Amino acid sequence: QKEVEQDPGPLSVPEGAIVSLNCTYSNSAFQYFMWYRQYSRKGPELLMYTYSSGNKEDGRFTAQVDKSSKYISLFIRDSQPSDSATYLCAMSVYNTDKLIFGTGTRLQVFP
Amino acid sequence: EADIYQTPRYLVIGTGKKITLECSQTMGHDKMYWYQQDPGMELHLIHYSYGVNSTEKGDLSSESTVSRIRTEHFPLTLESARPSHTSQYLCASRAVWGEQYFGPGTRLTVT
Repeated sequence: QKEVEQDPGPLSVPEGAIVSLNCTYSNSAFQYFMWYRQYSRKGPELLMYTYSSGNKEDGRFTAQVDKSSKYISLFIRDSQPSDSATYLCAMSVYNTDKLIFGTGTRLQVFP
Repeated sequence: EADIYQTPRYLVIGTGKKITLECSQTMGHDKMYWYQQDPGMELHLIHYSYGVNSTEKGDLSSESTVSRIRTEHFPLTLESARPSHTSQYLCASRAVWGEQYFGPGTRLTVT
């Protein structure tokens, strides 16, 4: 069983929809949580990171962490065709050097 | 915005050739990483470095080697390229809280 599970999708939504992307994890020692966006043939781009339970908002993006359920989410409001990409969650234990990545969810936003 | 650069962006080369993929960052980060990613697949860590003169093998076995003579520079070398090395290679560096910033990637094709 993988330490981080992420539904690969694809997830197809109409423009303007609210998108929910999720990851579950098994290691209760994970304390830092990140979301990356990766366009085709590009490197991952860091969208958000957080180290506490609860919500963190940045523009149209909200990252949510529920450590008790070992579950993290990324919400995208008012989704745009330019949001079409693969979204990767990543997490790490405090003061370690490696990130554990999910496999990524492919999102398609159609006009 | 992350300042991490990779060259070349695309490389097509014949079997048996020696190649070096360049990675440099201007953020002064000590820790740097190389990942391998096949299209639509997850990231695999192949090498990392804690700082100058430090190199470690990652989770995925790789025939490549790395060096770290300067903080800002972390090149990856393949002594004899093979078609099985065809992939995308991503370089990253680690910031204070553990988040990693990625370069744009090098897409390698070995014919």
